[in-house]
Order: sequence, then C-alpha cells, then structure tokens
Amino acid sequence: GAGVSQSPSNKVTEKGKDVELRCDPISGHTALYWYRQRLGQGLEFLIYFQGNSAPDKSGLPSDRFSAERTGESVSTLTIQRTQQEDSAVYLCASSTSRSGGSQETQYFGPGTRLLVL
Amino acid sequence: SQQGEEDPQALSIQEGENATMNCSYKTSINNLQWYRQNSGRGLVHLILIRSNEREKHSGRLRVTLDTSKKSSSLLITASRAADTASYFCALRRVDSSYKLIFGSGTRLLVRP
Repeated sequence: GAGVSQSPSNKVTEKGKDVELRCDPISGHTALYWYRQRLGQGLEFLIYFQGNSAPDKSGLPSDRFSAERTGESVSTLTIQRTQQEDSAVYLCASSTSRSGGSQETQYFGPGTRLLVL
Repeated sequence: SQQGEEDPQALSIQEGENATMNCSYKTSINNLQWYRQNSGRGLVHLILIRSNEREKHSGRLRVTLDTSKKSSSLLITASRAADTASYFCALRRVDSSYKLIFGSGTRLLVRP
C-alpha cells in the first residue's frame, strides 16, 4: 500500500551540472505526471506518461529537460546543464486511468527540492 | 489565464472559525478538484466536483461550483490548527482528459 515515492528528497547542485530525479508511482497506476513548483507558486505541468503511449512533453520548459519511463514503473526526470532558475520543488504524481480518464484524481509524491547554486 | 486564480492569496483565521477560499477560471471544465499541500511538499486530493454538480460535501469541507460564473469555493468549517496548509484548485479542461491546471493557491493559517 505504498504511495508515490521520490528521490532524492533534496538535491543541491552547482550551475551547469546534470541532475536526475526519480519517481516510483503507485503500483498499478498507468498514468504518471511530473510538475514543477517554484517557491510560493502553483504547479506547472511538465510531462505526462500513459502506459506505452507517446508521452505528452508539452510542458517541458527547454530541451535541457527530459524524462523517461519504462512501461508502467519508475520514471526519471533529467535536467542537463542546470541553471539557477531550475531551483524548485519537482513533484511526481500517478493515477489510474479509467474509461475516458477524465475522473481520476492524482496521488502525489513528497517531491524533490532542487537548489541550483 | 487558463489556470485557476485563487483568492485570497493568504488567509489567517482563529481556530474554530470557518475559512472560505475562492477559485475563478476562464475555460470550460470537465471537473474541478481541490488539493491541500503541507509545508511545500506533496499534495493531497481533497474533493472533486464535476461540471454538472453545484455542491459537494466531505466532512468539514464544502465545495460549490458555479459554471456560469466560472468560479468555485472551498469552505472549511470549524477550522483546526492542523488545517494550516496551502490549498489549490485544479481544473480539468473539457479538451483534456488528463491534464490538470493548477491555481497559485491560498495559504491558510489557523491560529490556535
């Protein structure tokens, strides 16, 4: 009965370095989402995975951001050549996908707080 | 803006009082959801209201939706110090079966 888990909890990196963030969704959840939350703001959609379908990458802010997911399991979000503006909390969520997919709620992980110095 | 806009941005009340938060939006929605976030970490789903519903209750929570005014409100009755958190509305647009658009949130402080 584990929830969504994310690692690391906190990450401090230097500008220009690459970082990799991990998300373990709830078992059986076919949909997985990544969001970015800057301090004091709402959530920005980054990317959505649904089963083996092509992901919706429309929210990725630049080509420095990429994400992968193998099947319906773990996902990693990679930020290359990090910038100070990338500092934020990165949240992962998963959900089931019922028929039509329009009524499911999302279950969130605790997030990874990224600080780029 | 397609996202929900919430007001107030911050709210401070005494324990036992009611707290009301509002969310306005500009697009056509399938449903609207409210989430709570403690200490800037993961969000917890509170309640979902569909576009054909006007009011919904869950414990001390009451959500209303007025699609003609494109607005929703979340009422927390008999607030407790543990209700201190940020509250976000999230819209599911008619033209998107999966994407949620989040508002900027209301920071609620309940003073003991």
